[in-house]
Amino acid sequence: QQQVKQSPQSLIVQKGGISIINCAYENTAFDYFPWYQQFPGKGPALLIAIRPDVSEKKEGRFTISFNKSAKQFSLHIMDSQPGDSATYFCAASTAGNMLTFGGGTRLMVKP
Amino acid sequence: DAGVTQSPTHLIKTRGQQVTLRCSPKSGHDTVSWYQQALGQGPQFIFQYYEEEERQRGNFPDRFSGHQFPNYSSELNVNALLLGDSALYLCASSAGTFSNSPLHFGNGTRLTVT
Repeated sequence: QQQVKQSPQSLIVQKGGISIINCAYENTAFDYFPWYQQFPGKGPALLIAIRPDVSEKKEGRFTISFNKSAKQFSLHIMDSQPGDSATYFCAASTAGNMLTFGGGTRLMVKP
Repeated sequence: DAGVTQSPTHLIKTRGQQVTLRCSPKSGHDTVSWYQQALGQGPQFIFQYYEEEERQRGNFPDRFSGHQFPNYSSELNVNALLLGDSALYLCASSAGTFSNSPLHFGNGTRLTVT
């Protein structure tokens, strides 16, 4: 199984609120889990990534939580800002660095 | 420091034609991967090139082929274009093929097949 399932498909958050995006996977061979942010007309840009031997990683307002036993991981965006409005993709890779992407979450942060 | 650059940015082709897309990797990167992103979906892996050889391939027909040059730049070729090939084609580069080597994406080539 190579799928990565992402939810929700779309999310509306008020400025200053917390945005939470969830992903689940089946393939236990995945060993690297990055999150990408994509603005219209642009390519995906790496936000933050985690290895499965770590349960949480924080970089600024962005935090990944990782639950290896449940095969789930999530992105939390604290103090969400209108500039965070974009599409977010979770992904997972095995040895060889071939990424399998989730379906994406379109985030809108209202002022 | 230039990031990943792709050309052209937009392309319109007719069904049955052939197309070539080009990619220059980020400075210091030696591995190039290509992804197809249909509208409203996540990118899907096409193939990866390292040391001028195709190292991994996703679930794409052999109408999709590629090449990597000695300067690490790469081309993606698609033959016998179908309407369903309309998508954003993304090139990504990395330093090596390890799973935790961050992939840096270009802004893509938007291909429209009519």
